[in-house]
Amino acid sequence: RKEVEQDPGPFNVPEGATVAFNCTYSNSASQSFFWYRQDCRKEPKLLMSVYSSGNEDGRFTAQLNRASQYISLLIRDSKLSDSATYLCVVSNTGTASKLTFGTGTRLQVTL
Amino acid sequence: SAVISQKPSRDICQRGTSLTIQCQVDSQVTMMFWYRQQPGQSLTLIATANQGSEATYESGFVIDKFPISRPNLTFSTLTVSNMSPEDSSIYLCSVSWAGGGELFFGEGSRLTVL
Repeated sequence: RKEVEQDPGPFNVPEGATVAFNCTYSNSASQSFFWYRQDCRKEPKLLMSVYSSGNEDGRFTAQLNRASQYISLLIRDSKLSDSATYLCVVSNTGTASKLTFGTGTRLQVTL
Repeated sequence: SAVISQKPSRDICQRGTSLTIQCQVDSQVTMMFWYRQQPGQSLTLIATANQGSEATYESGFVIDKFPISRPNLTFSTLTVSNMSPEDSSIYLCSVSWAGGGELFFGEGSRLTVL
């Protein structure tokens, strides 16, 4: 079983749609969780951290379910510029060392 | 954040040769890492570059194949030795600060081995 599993997609959605990505992780001792965004042929960049209580940043909402070892990312009112690959990332140390990346979920937002 | 410059940005190399990738950061950073992203795959940590000492390698990666240097807090190199087509990949330098959970990445070095 992979340490971090994501549905690879692609998810093709129209502008304005709401889309949700899911991610599961295998190590119950994992401490920190993140969503990174990677544009085509670019480096990954942090989108948001994921907190136990859930957190929201504008149109983006991240949630963590430790019991089910499950992380989600919800994007509301999708924009064309949201088209990218979204990487679920887990840390067993609580720091940036030993990050484990999922293979990513590709999102394509269309007119 | 930091400006992270990687060189070369891309290269095409012959089998059996070696290539050294440089990573320069515009400020002192606590941690520097080297990742690999093979086509269609996610990022895999190769090693943590330790300043003034030997790098810490992840399972499946060895110093003879991927020697790493980090002479100071702003610079590191990764060498891909005795290359084969299986080494064709994007190699990414990344940095972080003490206590921080965020990684910042360089733009990557796209390596093709013929």
